[in-house]
Amino acid sequence: DTAVSQTPKYLVTQMGNDKSIKCEQNLGHDTMYWYKQDSKKFLKIMFSYNNKELIINETVPNRFSPKSPDKAHLNLHINSLELGDSAVYFCASSLGGRGHTEAFFGQGTRLTVV
Amino acid sequence: AQSVAQPEDQVNVAEGNPLTVKCTYSVSGNPYLFWYVQYPNRGLQFLLKYITGDNLVKGSYGFEAEFNKSQTSFHLKKPSALVSDSALYFCAVRDSGTYKYIFGTGTRLKVLA
Repeated sequence: DTAVSQTPKYLVTQMGNDKSIKCEQNLGHDTMYWYKQDSKKFLKIMFSYNNKELIINETVPNRFSPKSPDKAHLNLHINSLELGDSAVYFCASSLGGRGHTEAFFGQGTRLTVV
Repeated sequence: AQSVAQPEDQVNVAEGNPLTVKCTYSVSGNPYLFWYVQYPNRGLQFLLKYITGDNLVKGSYGFEAEFNKSQTSFHLKKPSALVSDSALYFCAVRDSGTYKYIFGTGTRLKVLA
């Protein structure tokens, strides 16, 4: 019973392609996130949705577009992939915006752009 | 702006010895502090959190953390390290009322047999 699941786990693609990563959570949470972990293991937030509404949109290129069809799903679509997009992308979820709740993370999607 | 700092890139400790992984924070309001662990090729696993109350917080796998408001620190501790504790540890802060978790740069813990 995976709480936060991402697909695919690995993604290798050529520059210029368009790709999507899917995320689903079965925890009943109402807030979901995308984080990017670079090669130095730094974690940086990209987007967050609360009840399907975009609430955090960090300085991310327009080529990245999140979509939340419902509270349990948050997908990430990336257009015109570049070498610098290679990273591990983590989906996470939490219960609301109240500060004391912890986030649960998926296993990550390792994206390699060649 | 909220931030956390993990001053050590790596901490080495002998198995059976106590371990400490350091974290300091900066927030404008009440701090909500978290520790996560990441094993190779895995996602982040929640270890423990500080919300309010007792300054010593106990978490998973025998880990605990000490909140110190005057020093704005939230150090992770374990009385007796195991080789299996070797992993990457992240401290995170979340300001009250915000949705964002802000992570430190991570500390790699290596427990030597």
